Amino acid sequence: KNQVEQSPQSLIILEGKNCTLQCNYTVSPFSNLRWYKQDTGRGPVSLTIMTFSENTKSNGRYTATLDADTKQSSLHITASQLSDSASYICVVSEGGGFKTIFGAGTRLFVKA
Amino acid sequence: DAGVIQSPRHEVTEMGQEVTLRCKPISGHNSLFWYRQTMMRGLELLIYFNNNVPIDDSGMPEDRFSAKMPNASFSTLKIQPSEPRDSAVYFCASSLATLDVQYFGAGTRLSVL
Repeated sequence: KNQVEQSPQSLIILEGKNCTLQCNYTVSPFSNLRWYKQDTGRGPVSLTIMTFSENTKSNGRYTATLDADTKQSSLHITASQLSDSASYICVVSEGGGFKTIFGAGTRLFVKA
Repeated sequence: DAGVIQSPRHEVTEMGQEVTLRCKPISGHNSLFWYRQTMMRGLELLIYFNNNVPIDDSGMPEDRFSAKMPNASFSTLKIQPSEPRDSAVYFCASSLATLDVQYFGAGTRLSVL
């Protein structure tokens, strides 16, 4: 069964600290993996999209990694800011079509 | 561009009533997606269109749900009849092509009483 599992479920960090969110998937065949940031009450915003051949992609203070062999991805946030408080959702698309499987998300709280 | 525009932002209706959600994608985008988000199930893809044609509607929960895209600048998601379990936030998103970055609207929060 195709699944996407994210960890931790929630995380509290102090402003200025770094953190890493995890995403493990069993989706096969694999097309691409996306990380989204969703602020409370708003729609998700795309952070990164990675295909099979990409293993690192950055977007400002956000850096995503992908290991297609172990089917793991991580999202690293550097020098966190209060505005980083949000849910981060990992989404994996099946190859050949556009079947998407969503992770349950990680809720990040950045405290001053 | 104003981004993806959804209306209404909030909808409260009674069980059994018809509900129509509307979406205007970003001009020039060829793919449009409808999602539903609940606390229990998270984000779910309901249906997506490419060049106004429905490509995959396997996520549509049942026959009470229908979606149309009569032209490149407008899409609707209709629920008839609505049920309390349909209460959720419904998002519309668009992208240049199917596998490109998707831009989401602000969502419609639906409450079925």
